[in-house]
Amino acid sequence: SQQGEEDPQALSIQEGENATMNCSYKTSINNLQWYRQNSGRGLVHLILIRSNEREKHSGRLRVTLDTSKKSSSLLITASRAADTASYFCATDAWGNKLVFGAGTILRVKS
Amino acid sequence: GAGVSQTPSNKVTEKGKYVELRCDPISGHTALYWYRQSLGQGPEFLIYFQGTGAADDSGLPNDRFFAVRPEGSVSTLKIQRTERGDSAVYLCASSLTRANTGELFFGEGSRLTVL
Repeated sequence: SQQGEEDPQALSIQEGENATMNCSYKTSINNLQWYRQNSGRGLVHLILIRSNEREKHSGRLRVTLDTSKKSSSLLITASRAADTASYFCATDAWGNKLVFGAGTILRVKS
Repeated sequence: GAGVSQTPSNKVTEKGKYVELRCDPISGHTALYWYRQSLGQGPEFLIYFQGTGAADDSGLPNDRFFAVRPEGSVSTLKIQRTERGDSAVYLCASSLTRANTGELFFGEGSRLTVL
């Protein structure tokens, strides 16, 4: 079963615009991670935010975590065509595995 | 190698056949995971190894699925009596320790098609 649910399912924006994706989850977590997957490829880790953190930055990426609402958001600023991919949140609920959501498909038009 | 290596990249088989999928993790990574991804879905957990032992196999869908990691490095996912519903991309990932301390490094996947 998948714990995380991403919203929206698909997002289409123009190059240079910001892209925001949201993730909701159900149980208490140790950390939450975001991954990117280009079509037909494996997943690539983007960023990890721990349960005691509220915001984290990495380059053009900004992640927030609200444990009271059990939600996270991923913001990609100044998007590029190369950002076109599927984005997944994954939660570590103090167990042995990461549980992934169904993902958001991002298309950046040049 | 530098990354997680999976073979074969594509496998087409007939219903009822036996299939083996191989994963070679990043050297030194003690944790190894198998996930399955169907079209348009996120990866679904199958099994987790810490060293040679299967620490969590709660995601294996039934007893047709089995995985081994005899020397704590390379792992093989084995599927007996394949069914059309087994068609998916099988992803392997490794990490230095357990997932709750850091990121997973994924391979490119093995695409299994059962006719």
